[in-house]
Amino acid sequence: AQSVTQLGSHVSVSEGALVLLRCNYSSSVPPYLFWYVQYPNQGLQLLLKYTSAATLVKGINGFEAEFKKSETSFHLTKPSAHMRDAAEYFCAVSSRQGGGADGLTFGKGTHLIIQP
Amino acid sequence: GAGVSQSPSNKVTEKGKDVELRCDPISGHTALYWYRQRLGQGLEFLIYFQGNSAPDKSGLPSDRFSAERTGESVSTLTIQRTQQEDSAVYLCASSFRGGTYEQYFGPGTRLTVT
Repeated sequence: AQSVTQLGSHVSVSEGALVLLRCNYSSSVPPYLFWYVQYPNQGLQLLLKYTSAATLVKGINGFEAEFKKSETSFHLTKPSAHMRDAAEYFCAVSSRQGGGADGLTFGKGTHLIIQP
Repeated sequence: GAGVSQSPSNKVTEKGKDVELRCDPISGHTALYWYRQRLGQGLEFLIYFQGNSAPDKSGLPSDRFSAERTGESVSTLTIQRTQQEDSAVYLCASSFRGGTYEQYFGPGTRLTVT
């Protein structure tokens, strides 16, 4: 079984400030981890993914995430927030190796609010 | 190129009626997923198709839910005798293969059961 916990349903930061969205997972086997973003009235878009290569993963729009096995965490960060970053962010885990049939297990999402 | 498309974008139905939701995946993608997103919740996996293999139906919440896919093309999710708790956004995603390949999501169908 696998699960994802996102701490904080809403996170508010000032424009230009550091963004930190927290994600902890549980998995009985080495996980694959993903961050998706959902802008208002749009579908989900992949920000970045970890698939057992480098533990620090860089994604689109200046976001990055670090896989920490000892903490079972995959927190998402961005050094300087922009107004356009306001969206819903979902962390997801998949425990199946390539070729397996598995849907992602998603967290409940974190709504990122950017204050001007 | 064209992304994943879903229709209708919105559907309002009366309790007890059947509904069909449609998903057109990206051409060439062998894997197709259906998810449900209830208000304020994360995405809930429903069903997975991979090529011509038997689908993984482990996420379907009840026997009122079913889905079909012909080959590697369009998929239809059917909900029979809809209930108010079925109200949600239903999302479809496709990927080149299953597993760790990136899933590309459609815009979703918002279903409201009155």
